[in-house]
Amino acid sequence: KQEVTQIPAALSVPEGENLVLNCSFTDSAIYNLQWFRQDPGKGLTSLLLIQSSQREQTSGRLNASLDKSSGRSTLYIAASQPGDSATYLCAVKGNTPLVFGKGTRLSVIA
Amino acid sequence: NAGVMQNPRHLVRRRGQEARLRCSPMKGHSHVYWYRQLPEEGLKFMVYLQKENIIDESGMPKERFSAEFPKEGPSILRIQQVVRGDSAAYFCASSPNLDSSYEQYFGPGTRLTVT
Repeated sequence: KQEVTQIPAALSVPEGENLVLNCSFTDSAIYNLQWFRQDPGKGLTSLLLIQSSQREQTSGRLNASLDKSSGRSTLYIAASQPGDSATYLCAVKGNTPLVFGKGTRLSVIA
Repeated sequence: NAGVMQNPRHLVRRRGQEARLRCSPMKGHSHVYWYRQLPEEGLKFMVYLQKENIIDESGMPKERFSAEFPKEGPSILRIQQVVRGDSAAYFCASSPNLDSSYEQYFGPGTRLTVT
């Protein structure tokens, strides 16, 4: 059974800092991994999708890496801004439907 | 091209009533997924439907919950005789086809409160 863990559960950083969010999964037989952003009381915004054959994806200040063999992904956020404050969710797609981690709650302090 | 639409956005029901949640997938998408997010918990898969077929309902409680995706119209998640533990955010996602490499696009969710 696939399990997804995100560390840390919460993170508070000063504006401008670079930061890394971690995601690990127990079954490496995945098709893809997605990173989402969720604002309080809102829906999910897809940030990056990494296919199993890819090592990383970049979008603006965001960079996500995938090491399928070790069951790990990281989301790197450069030059963080207060508007980045949200919960970041990692989800993996294997032979089962999407399995989500519980998220990392990020606060960027101005 | 509108995204995934869900309505209502907020729904309040008293214990014992029925809740009906609707999801209209993105245009051209024939696969719909329902997820539930309990307070302080991650999203959990409930059910996966294709037009007129339930493909996987392994995450859906056996009692009181049902889902459909008719040939015409939105997908419906129905919860009968709601209890306080059903209070949660229910999210719908859609994808264009069965290929597992395709991204799922999520709707804004329906927040159900049972009083």
